[in-house]
Amino acid sequence: RKEVEQDPGPFNVPEGATVAFNCTYSNSASQSFFWYRQDCRKEPKLLMSVYSSGNEDGRFTAQLNRASQYISLLIRDSKLSDSATYLCVVTFSSGGYNKLIFGAGTRLAVHP
Amino acid sequence: EPEVTQTPSHQVTQMGQEVILRCVPISNHLYFYWYRQILGQKVEFLVSFYNNEISEKSEIFDDQFSVERPDGSNFTLKIRSTKLEDSAMYFCASNGPRGGADYGYTFGSGTRLTVV
Repeated sequence: RKEVEQDPGPFNVPEGATVAFNCTYSNSASQSFFWYRQDCRKEPKLLMSVYSSGNEDGRFTAQLNRASQYISLLIRDSKLSDSATYLCVVTFSSGGYNKLIFGAGTRLAVHP
Repeated sequence: EPEVTQTPSHQVTQMGQEVILRCVPISNHLYFYWYRQILGQKVEFLVSFYNNEISEKSEIFDDQFSVERPDGSNFTLKIRSTKLEDSAMYFCASNGPRGGADYGYTFGSGTRLTVV
């Protein structure tokens, strides 16, 4: 079983649409959870952390369900500039620090 | 905003040659990492480095790979004898004084390695 599993997409949506991405992780000892954004041939960039209580940053809302080992990202009012690959990331503590474990990503294409 | 700097941005090398990928982490960071991403695949952890030694390495990081922090600012990844399957984007990352991904994990813009 993959450590972090995501639907690869692509999700093709019109501007202004609401789109949701899901992610599951296999290691129940995972400690921290993130969504990263990656543009084509660029480095991953942190979009937001994910907390059990849910958290919102402008048009972006993230949610964590530890019992189901499930993470979600909701994007409202999609913009053309949201087109990218969204990476679900979990961390696992090992020897006093955390390494990032990436999902393969979900591609989003927003069209006019 | 502080940056992680990687050089070169693109390296082409012949199979069997040695390559050194260079990184300058953020100056007050203590934990350093290399990740790689084969085209079309996920980002994979290679190695972490703290206090001048390897903290953890993945199965990918075999005897052909080594890391070094030679002068207190540069952090290098060496591949001793490159193979075709080493072709990938290599990302350096660092994070902050307290360590852990919660504390300012920053990626460099990557080095694209092409082995021919």
